Amino acid sequence: AQSVSQHNHHVILSEAASLELGCNYSYGGTVNLFWYVQYPGQHLQLLLKYFSGDPLVKGIKGFEAEFIKSKFSFNLRKPSVQWSDTAEYFCAVRDTGRRALTFGSGTRLQVQP
Amino acid sequence: EAQVTQNPRYLITVTGKKLTVTCSQNMNHEYMSWYRQDPGLGLRQIYYSMNVEVTDKGDVPEGYKVSRKEKRNFPLILESPSPNQTSLYFCASSSRDSSSYEQYFGPGTRLTVT
Repeated sequence: AQSVSQHNHHVILSEAASLELGCNYSYGGTVNLFWYVQYPGQHLQLLLKYFSGDPLVKGIKGFEAEFIKSKFSFNLRKPSVQWSDTAEYFCAVRDTGRRALTFGSGTRLQVQP
Repeated sequence: EAQVTQNPRYLITVTGKKLTVTCSQNMNHEYMSWYRQDPGLGLRQIYYSMNVEVTDKGDVPEGYKVSRKEKRNFPLILESPSPNQTSLYFCASSSRDSSSYEQYFGPGTRLTVT
């Protein structure tokens, strides 16, 4: 079965610091990759997704992620975080044989002003 | 406005008392699913439906039932809730369009079973 690992469970940064959140998945076939964000008290929203093509994808709010197939990774990055980025971030993977998403356990990001 | 709605948003109940959480989407999506979110475990899929009258088990289906009689609605039923079903529940939907499997999530239902 597919599994998704997010290595950082809780990250604390100061405003303007750079962010990188790790995501690794286990499936060796063709996958679709997603990052979702959940702001406090809100539902999940899509940040960005990778289906094919350029492995560096750009999402909303200045986030980007790079798909490295050889490493089974899809790390999320942002050059300069803001206090409003405080949220929980989930990596999700869909192998193309199924519709369901497999989620990682999430990373809680706390940005201090 | 395109959206997924869930009701109720908050529910406290007692062990064994049957309950239903409703989910409705207005985007004419074929695919709908239910997830539960628990600390440290992320979201885990309970059940999903590919279309009307077509449902299947996800990763954690025990203790839950679903039905899909209409395209827009996908209720989650707990026939005899137990405390280990205390969780945050999300409904999601997506279209069959293979160019975009983005799932749209509802606002969540926080369930407490005492």
